[in-house]
Amino acid sequence: DVKVTQSSRYLVKRTGEKVFLECVQDMDHENMFWYRQDPGLGLRLIYFSYDVKMKEKGDIPEGYSVSREKKERFSLILESASTNQTSMYLCASSPASNRATEAFFGQGTRLTVV
Amino acid sequence: GDSVTQMEGPVTLSEEAFLTINCTYTATGYPSLFWYVQYPGEGLQLLLKATKADDKGSNKGFEATYRKETTSFHLEKGSVQVSDSAVYFCALMKTSGSRLTFGEGTQLTVNP
Repeated sequence: DVKVTQSSRYLVKRTGEKVFLECVQDMDHENMFWYRQDPGLGLRLIYFSYDVKMKEKGDIPEGYSVSREKKERFSLILESASTNQTSMYLCASSPASNRATEAFFGQGTRLTVV
Repeated sequence: GDSVTQMEGPVTLSEEAFLTINCTYTATGYPSLFWYVQYPGEGLQLLLKATKADDKGSNKGFEATYRKETTSFHLEKGSVQVSDSAVYFCALMKTSGSRLTFGEGTQLTVNP
C-alpha cells in the first residue's frame, strides 16, 4: 500500500520559532509537494521538488523553505513562525511522468502558531 | 495563470438525494482534471480523473465528464449516502508538469 507519512498530526509552536515539518514517502516517487490548506482557499502550493536537492517555488513560498537531501524525504521549514502560518499542511508525492498521474497525500499536520 | 473554481458550499443533502458539485477551470492547453475527496481527519485521496475531452471518470458511484467546450468537470452522484460526507476538491494538472492546481473545496454533509 502506498504511503506518505507526515511526522506530526498536531503541532503548537510559538511565534518566532523555527519549525520543521517532515514528510516521508515509500513509493520511490520523484516528485514531492508541500501544500497548505485553509478554509475557502482550497490547497495552495508552497514548494515542490522534482528530484533530490531540487526545489521549485510554488504559489506562496514566502516565509518557507524546503530541503530534500534524500529521495524519500521532503522537509518544510518555517524560518520564523508567525500566526498567519497557522494552517493545515499537506505533503504529497507522485511519480515522474509525461502524463498526468495521481498524487498521494499524507494525513496532514495541523500547525498552530501562538 | 491556471485556476479552478468550484460551486460555493457547504452543501447539505438528505440520504439518497442527487448530488452535483460544479467545477470550472481556466487553463491553456489540455489539462487533466481530477476530483479528490478528503474524509474527516484524513488527507486527500483521488476519487476520479479524466485526461482528455469527453472522457468520463467514475468511481464509487461518482461520475464527472470532461467538457472542453464549457471548461467544466462537474461531479455527480445519483444517490448519496451518509458515508459520502466529506470535502471534495476539483483540480487540474497540466500535461507538461505534475503540480496540481486546486479549487476551493466543497463541504458535503449527508443527513440520514
